[in-house]
Amino acid sequence: QKEVEQDPGPLSVPEGAIVSLNCTYSNSAFQYFMWYRQYSRKGPELLMYTYSSGNKEDGRFTAQVDKSSKYISLFIRDSQPSDSATYLCATPYGNKLVFGAGTILRVKS
Amino acid sequence: SQTIHQWPATLVQPVGSPLSLECTVEGTSNPNLYWYRQAAGRGLQLLFYSVGIGQISSEVPQNLSASRPQDRQFILSSKKLLLSDSGFYLCAFTGTSSYEQYFGPGTRLTVT
Repeated sequence: QKEVEQDPGPLSVPEGAIVSLNCTYSNSAFQYFMWYRQYSRKGPELLMYTYSSGNKEDGRFTAQVDKSSKYISLFIRDSQPSDSATYLCATPYGNKLVFGAGTILRVKS
Repeated sequence: SQTIHQWPATLVQPVGSPLSLECTVEGTSNPNLYWYRQAAGRGLQLLFYSVGIGQISSEVPQNLSASRPQDRQFILSSKKLLLSDSGFYLCAFTGTSSYEQYFGPGTRLTVT
């Protein structure tokens, strides 16, 4: 069992839809979570990070952590074609980050 | 501000040839440095990381090696490339926080 699981998709939505991207994790010691966005043929860029449980909002993006169910979510409101990318969740483990496999998101205009 | 550079951006090399990819970081001191490989349509595979000059940890046994000759320089090498070495190579560093990693633009390597 991988420590961070993420559905690879692809997830295809119409422009303006609310998108929900999710990860599950197995180690209850994980407390800090990050979301990265990776456009095709580019390096991943840090989108948001959140610590412990609860929500964190940044513009159209909301990161949510549910520690009781070991579930991490990224919500995108009013999705745009420019949001089409691969989204990766990650959590620190020692000096390293444990990444999910990434979910491919396609927003159709 | 902190920036990370990788070169070359693309590389086509024959099987059996050597490899040297370079990564440099600016605007920070004593960062942790990382090399990842991403095969087409796949996730990130951590290859090496370094917490200081000359300190290299290898995550995956293979024909690649890494070196850190200076605080903000990280080099990925191979003496003889294999077809399976093709992929997208990414360098990353930790910022002022000890957790978040920031990635370079990557090098797309094709071994023919």
